[in-house]
Amino acid sequence: GAGVSQTPSNKVTEKGKYVELRCDPISGHTALYWYRQSLGQGPEFLIYFQGTGAADDSGLPNDRFFAVRPEGSVSTLKIQRTERGDSAVYLCASSFLGRADSPLHFGNGTRLTVT
Amino acid sequence: AQTVTQSQPEMSVQEAETVTLSCTYDTSENNYYLFWYKQPPSRQMILVIRQEAYKQQNATENRFSVNFQKAAKSFSLKISDSQLGDTAMYFCAFMKQDAGKSTFGDGTTLTVKP
Repeated sequence: GAGVSQTPSNKVTEKGKYVELRCDPISGHTALYWYRQSLGQGPEFLIYFQGTGAADDSGLPNDRFFAVRPEGSVSTLKIQRTERGDSAVYLCASSFLGRADSPLHFGNGTRLTVT
Repeated sequence: AQTVTQSQPEMSVQEAETVTLSCTYDTSENNYYLFWYKQPPSRQMILVIRQEAYKQQNATENRFSVNFQKAAKSFSLKISDSQLGDTAMYFCAFMKQDAGKSTFGDGTTLTVKP
């Protein structure tokens, strides 16, 4: 079927605004991950869902960041009071089991620019 | 906490030749997986090859192979018969066996020259 879909592909917002980034995982994949990738760096883990619940949210940098996955499929990453330092590519990935022997499938990312 | 280090920010290779990308990691875990991902300019991260730490045999996927040295905590990627389409950023990553979180290195930009 279709791969992991992320919308929008690009988002420009002003400092202080609220943004939502959406991720549509591969159908049937129980695990969903959010990563943040700054320019010239590797992806940095934010949060991991197994089904509807956040199994590990240790990577969320502060309480301005929040993610949900209410029905165990689509996930939304929400950023409040955006700051220029939040500018990055936000990557979403899904996998069938959420274990290391189940490959990650990544989306194309959302490039967030905070002006 | 785990760390992953890629000491080569940029590399280049002539088409049809062989190139090796380096990766070292640090962990106190005994059961884990290591990965190499490719990220072309389109941004989509694609899995290239995977190695289970409990396996002594090095993983191979067509033109891609790894040299896994568990004691040295080293995990290099060899690309044989390099093709123009191999031009991309390559990331080494670590995952504990039962954990969802992956730790990535900062990547190596590989350019294949015609």
